[in-house]
Amino acid sequence: LAKTTQPISMDSYEGQEVNITCSHNNIATNDYITWYQQFPSQGPRFIIQGYKTKVTNEVASLFIPADRKSSTLSLPRVSLSDTAVYYCLVGDNAAGNKLTFGGGTRVLVKP
Amino acid sequence: NAGVMQNPRHLVRRRGQEARLRCSPMKGHSHVYWYRQLPEEGLKFMVYLQKENIIDESGMPKERFSAEFPKEGPSILRIQQVVRGDSAAYFCASSMDAYGYTFGSGTRLTVV
Repeated sequence: LAKTTQPISMDSYEGQEVNITCSHNNIATNDYITWYQQFPSQGPRFIIQGYKTKVTNEVASLFIPADRKSSTLSLPRVSLSDTAVYYCLVGDNAAGNKLTFGGGTRVLVKP
Repeated sequence: NAGVMQNPRHLVRRRGQEARLRCSPMKGHSHVYWYRQLPEEGLKFMVYLQKENIIDESGMPKERFSAEFPKEGPSILRIQQVVRGDSAAYFCASSMDAYGYTFGSGTRLTVV
């Protein structure tokens, strides 16, 4: 399983863009990159997943360079409710593959 | 379409008692996973089950912990003779055949 490294915490202000970079130097060919969001007292919630280049949905964008050794989650115009822990996971997309969570990045959005 | 349902949300047990945590997967999901989260830490995989089968229990402690996913009814994570170190949030996730893990809101176990 590819190991991931991401910052422990980040502070931001309402309306700003937040970019969280995750390093995964030993990512395998079959691995996808997935980001989850977790609020206090709740289970993780899927945000976005990608394999290469750029993926965008209504919540976030995911940028993956050609070598796939890192990825950046971009949250546009954050609000106070985006304060959460964000986890970067790397692994095969097949069912049955257990997810490996690192420590995540605690994002604090200030007014 | 209800999500993954876990109950109870909060469970308090005295040392030595048994704890039973329940998880009902999303409709149509046949894969169930249990994870444990200690305070200020990420989630740690415990066990992966399909109906009536344990597929991967590599993350389960060797003693006192067991899990099942019967043909009918919810998946159960059972902790016998609980100790203070078992205090944690326990999350269940479910998935269909290929993609998309959905997590429940967890059960917070406190051992006093």
